[in-house]
Amino acid sequence: QKEVEQDPGPLSVPEGAIVSLNCTYSNSAFQYFMWYRQYSRKGPELLMYTYSSGNKEDGRFTAQVDKSSKYISLFIRDSQPSDSATYLCAFAGGTSYGKLTFGQGTILTVHP
Amino acid sequence: NAGVTQTPKFQVLKTGQSMTLQCAQDMNHNSMYWYRQDPGMGLRLIYYSASEGTTDKGEVPNGYNVSRLNKREFSLRLESAAPSQTSVYFCASSESGGAETQYFGPGTRLLVL
Repeated sequence: QKEVEQDPGPLSVPEGAIVSLNCTYSNSAFQYFMWYRQYSRKGPELLMYTYSSGNKEDGRFTAQVDKSSKYISLFIRDSQPSDSATYLCAFAGGTSYGKLTFGQGTILTVHP
Repeated sequence: NAGVTQTPKFQVLKTGQSMTLQCAQDMNHNSMYWYRQDPGMGLRLIYYSASEGTTDKGEVPNGYNVSRLNKREFSLRLESAAPSQTSVYFCASSESGGAETQYFGPGTRLLVL
């Protein structure tokens, strides 16, 4: 079983849609949960960071963590064409402290 | 601030050739990392350096060597390139090697024929 599972998509939505991106994980030692965004031919950049169960909002983005189900989500409200990118979930904690374990990435396209 | 820079941007090698990928950061970060990214595989850690003078293997270290030249620079060397090393390579840095933000460079696209 992979430590992290992420649906690679691709996901195509119309502008203004609500987007839901998800990852599941199996390592109970993970304590830190991140979402990175990667535009085409660029390096990833941190979008959201959380370390507790529950929701964290930042503008149109909401990160949700459910530690009991080992499941994290990223919601994008009022999606824009500029949100078109690959979204990678990432995890840290336990013996892998300081090293990130990434999901496969979900390719998102928001069309006008 | 340039952040994390990588050279070259793109390289084509023949099987068996060697090359070094260069990475430098100007954020005074202690920790640096090398990842490779392949379709459907996400980012996989090759090697990391928690602080100047230390290096450790990551998930996929075979076929690679690294050098932490100083606090700013961390290089990745392929001694004898193989087609399986065709990938996009990313260097990253973070402040102290904890579970904090990692800052990524723009990547090096490597094609091994």
